[in-house]
Amino acid sequence: GENVEQHPSTLSVQEGDSAVIKCTYSDSASNYFPWYKQELGKRPQLIIDIRSNVGEKKDQRIAVTLNKTAKHFSLHITETQPEDSAVYFCAATSLLGSYNKLIFGAGTRLAVHP
Amino acid sequence: NAGVTQTPKFRVLKTGQSMTLLCAQDMNHEYMYWYRQDPGMGLRLIHYSVGEGTTAKGEVPDGYNVSRLKKQNFLLGLESAAPSQTSVYFCASSSDSGSGTDTQYFGPGTRLTVL
Repeated sequence: GENVEQHPSTLSVQEGDSAVIKCTYSDSASNYFPWYKQELGKRPQLIIDIRSNVGEKKDQRIAVTLNKTAKHFSLHITETQPEDSAVYFCAATSLLGSYNKLIFGAGTRLAVHP
Repeated sequence: NAGVTQTPKFRVLKTGQSMTLLCAQDMNHEYMYWYRQDPGMGLRLIHYSVGEGTTAKGEVPDGYNVSRLKKQNFLLGLESAAPSQTSVYFCASSSDSGSGTDTQYFGPGTRLTVL
């Protein structure tokens, strides 16, 4: 079946450094790529997304890039802060019957040290 | 606006017992989903619904049943629980553009342990 691979599984940075999380997907028809942040014991929440007709999208300290040819997309967090510590999940759409479902990566645990 | 709510928050079952997890949303969303989250495996889709009275299988539907009798509610049932169903269960909902690109809003989760 279709899958999404996410790397690294854990990432440790110093406050103020940048963090990059990378995902690759297998379904060439994927057209939507959201990123979710999940704090410990909380629900996943959308932080940014990108559609297949866009190569890059920014929102303050967060940016996402998409390379459709290589089938990979990345999350970039600049000037990291302790409150950025969480598990981050990437996802990509894949057709299930007549419906476009989301397939999630396994997650990246980001730790930002003061 | 409560968003997406789930009950119960925690539950411990013995092998073979049954239970129902309730998901409710007040955003008038057409689409609702049930996921399970296991360590190192992300979120996997169990079942989903594209509207009141409809249900469909996701990636990992075996051992689960669902019902969507009212638009705002989506129930997940375990008829005979197994230890392999120990997991955190998340419900989500989204509006309906037909493209699968609408934001999914998640509930707080239910932590289920099957002994």
